[in-house]
Amino acid sequence: DGGITQSPKYLFRKEGQNVTLSCEQNLNHDAMYWYRQDPGQGLRLIYYSQIVNDFQKGDIAEGYSVSREKKESFPLTVTSAQKNPTAFYLCASSIGADSGNTIYFGEGSWLTVV
Amino acid sequence: GNSVTQMEGPVTLSEEAFLTINCTYTATGYPSLFWYVQYPGEGLQLLLKATKADDKGSNKGFEATYRKETTSFHLEKGSVQVSDSAVYFCALGVISSGSARQLTFGSGTQLTVLP
Repeated sequence: DGGITQSPKYLFRKEGQNVTLSCEQNLNHDAMYWYRQDPGQGLRLIYYSQIVNDFQKGDIAEGYSVSREKKESFPLTVTSAQKNPTAFYLCASSIGADSGNTIYFGEGSWLTVV
Repeated sequence: GNSVTQMEGPVTLSEEAFLTINCTYTATGYPSLFWYVQYPGEGLQLLLKATKADDKGSNKGFEATYRKETTSFHLEKGSVQVSDSAVYFCALGVISSGSARQLTFGSGTQLTVLP
């Protein structure tokens, strides 16, 4: 089945550690996105990528990094510089940048700092 | 800038009741409008969308009409079921200055349907 796979589903991080969340899609989509969701709030854009080897900062990029070496993969690293990383992280993709194209989401990854 | 304002929740209804969740927006240009649904512990699923004024999106008994004159995209369902209990997000999508589409989300409305 086509879709977006995020892993791990649950992740615990110690203070000062970097962690990487995986996102893979087999939808042949050009654009990929990372969002952060905090309890009771909407989603905020961290980073997005329109094509391979290109990515742009979203609204809350500080403390995060990404790479886009392959079309199907867009991993997110939560660095130790991110002061409040505990949240639900959602990866998404779309065919392209047209405003009418649907954005499809993965199942999400829960990150907790311990 | 772009923004979405959603009716605050939580909303609790009895089964078969009528549902309305209000959503209004501000945007530059001509956005597309979306409703997403999130079930507990899961990612978001597209529920319906509309890409231009007066379009009506519909799916699973839910409907929403893109009203440019009132900048609204209210979600409605005539008869809710227990299985509709979830968080509903209104969102708009526009081409950003960097030519990459971004979604702006509302804060979400928690719906609980009681049997």
